[in-house]
Amino acid sequence: GAGVSQSPSNKVTEKGKDVELRCDPISGHTALYWYRQSLGQGLEFLIYFQGNSAPDKSGLPSDRFSAERTGGSVSTLTIQRTQQEDSAVYLCASSLGLLNSPLHFGNGTRLTVT
Amino acid sequence: GESVGLHLPTLSVQEGDNSIINCAYSNSASDYFIWYKQESGKGPQFIIDIRSNMDKRQGQRVTVLLNKTVKHLSLQIAATQPGDSAVYFCAEFTPYGQNFVFGPGTRLSVLP
Repeated sequence: GAGVSQSPSNKVTEKGKDVELRCDPISGHTALYWYRQSLGQGLEFLIYFQGNSAPDKSGLPSDRFSAERTGGSVSTLTIQRTQQEDSAVYLCASSLGLLNSPLHFGNGTRLTVT
Repeated sequence: GESVGLHLPTLSVQEGDNSIINCAYSNSASDYFIWYKQESGKGPQFIIDIRSNMDKRQGQRVTVLLNKTVKHLSLQIAATQPGDSAVYFCAEFTPYGQNFVFGPGTRLSVLP
């Protein structure tokens, strides 16, 4: 079966440009998470969507970062006016949203800001 | 043995030996824990999970131990193979935040 799909797999952009990263979760999964992973580091929580509830945006590092989830399925993470410190792998994960449901990750988008 | 690298602690083991990877979690209210394996260029892959009402759970070649008294989680891999070389993360689910918090990771290196 299809897992979590992220696109693009790699993105190189110039400082100051906006970028959009896309995530297609596993069909039927109501919960969707975005994490950021810098080189050789752990996973930093960014934002969480659960069904139709308001998203938990507590992990977004600045107001340049935003995310949407349309129709309870596909999600887009947008970074405006990118900075070099935004360079990282952006990981999306989904889960059934039930108690004790594990996260299933995509392979991430590697973002490089030059 | 273990050593601290530039970014991640590293555990080096001989092929065929057992590996033990440790994790200290932060929140005594966390009630669900997962171990993930991450290979280069890929997303984290689920290995095994455990609920807080258990102290041990076994899978295929892997065992997770949970000690809630000292907030400690460990992953044991039996008969470690070259394909086990990866970075391993523990994750705790925090009910109040409704999200998973990940540990810093441990790099497992399997020596021939």
